[in-house]
This record gives sequence, structure tokens and C-alpha cells, in this order.
Amino acid sequence: DAGVTQSPTHLIKTRGQQVTLRCSPKSGHDTVSWYQQALGQGPQFIFQYYEEEERQRGNFPDRFSGHQFPNYSSELNVNALLLGDSALYLCASRRQGTSGNTIYFGEGSWLTVV
Amino acid sequence: AQSVTQLGSHVSVSEGALVLLRCNYSSSVPPYLFWYVQYPNQGLQLLLKYTSAATLVKGINGFEAEFKKSETSFHLTKPSAHMSDAAEYFCAVSDGDYKLSFGAGTTVTVRA
Repeated sequence: DAGVTQSPTHLIKTRGQQVTLRCSPKSGHDTVSWYQQALGQGPQFIFQYYEEEERQRGNFPDRFSGHQFPNYSSELNVNALLLGDSALYLCASRRQGTSGNTIYFGEGSWLTVV
Repeated sequence: AQSVTQLGSHVSVSEGALVLLRCNYSSSVPPYLFWYVQYPNQGLQLLLKYTSAATLVKGINGFEAEFKKSETSFHLTKPSAHMSDAAEYFCAVSDGDYKLSFGAGTTVTVRA
């Protein structure tokens, strides 16, 4: 049973560029969330997708956008990259309606903006 | 809004000694509470969770945590530290909407 998978694992971008990160949820899961973890900090919630719609959003600018596909996989897009966007981006998944909030995380995508 | 505060950004223990990581939460509704562990260059692994059942929660790898409403705390303990426990630990809270709010983390080092 594959867990949450993310790609790419590492990437380097230049300021002003755009980046797309991808996530496949754990088998049986239909809800995907994205988190940003800056160096030395705890993860910060970006947004959550369910039934191909953004359901909740954290305190992130509109440069951060996402998408969920019919197969429940998801993309995170960041436009006009800033140096401060350098971080580990974590994808998390769960199954809607399950009790106990069991949320599984992927290994993350390391983004470096230079 | 929910939030957690982890007391101590770094904890150093001897192998075989007690591990105690402190977490205090703030929530306007009965909270769901979690402890996650992150090994270097890896994602987050769930250690244990509190979801309004038993106040003493047992998790993986010998860890446990006790929910104390009167103290708004959810401290994580392990009776005997092992070298493999060296990692970063995060406390998190949710009000049931499945959005997790994390603390800043506590780095644990284990001395031989």
C-alpha cells in the first residue's frame, strides 16, 4: 500500500519563476492538504482540496494555488517565486468522513529559490 | 483559532533516560491533539493522537502522552530514550476541520 507520494523531491528555481509540485494521496484517501515548512519552523497550512475544490485556505497569498484531479491527486502551484518561498512543501491526505483525523504526510518537496 | 506552544526548542537526554517534551494548546472547542516526529530529510510520521477518548494515549515506539484539560497540556513522554529517538518532534492541534496547527518543534538529541 503506497503512502502519500510527492514529486519532485528537490528543485531549484529562480526568483520570479513559477513552480508546480505534485502529490498522490494514500490509497483510499480523497482529501489532500498542502503545508509549507520553512527551515527551523513547524509546518504551516496552505490549503485543502476535496472533490476537486479548495475547501479551506490558510494565510497564504494568491500566488499559491492548487488543483485536485478526479483521481484525487493534487498539484500546488506557486507563481512569482520569492526567496522566502524556499521551504519544504508537504502534502497530506486523509479519507473524508473518517473519525480521528488520521492524516498521513508525504516525504515532501524541497524548494530552493535563488 | 487553535494554536500550540512547545516549550523548549531543544532537548538533550542520555540514552535510557526519560524523554519529556512539553506542549500546551489553545482551542475554543474540544481539541484533537497530535504528536508527529520528523527524521532528517523526511516527512512527518504520526506518533499518537488524542480524539476525546482516553486521556492517556499510547503511541508508536514506546511514546505516550497525557491530555490534561485543566492545564491545557499534552506532554509527550518516553520512559527510556534510544539513540533512534533523535529527531524533531511536533505537537499539533485541530478543531476537527482537519487543518492542523503545528508548534515550532523540539529537537531531541540522545547522548550515548
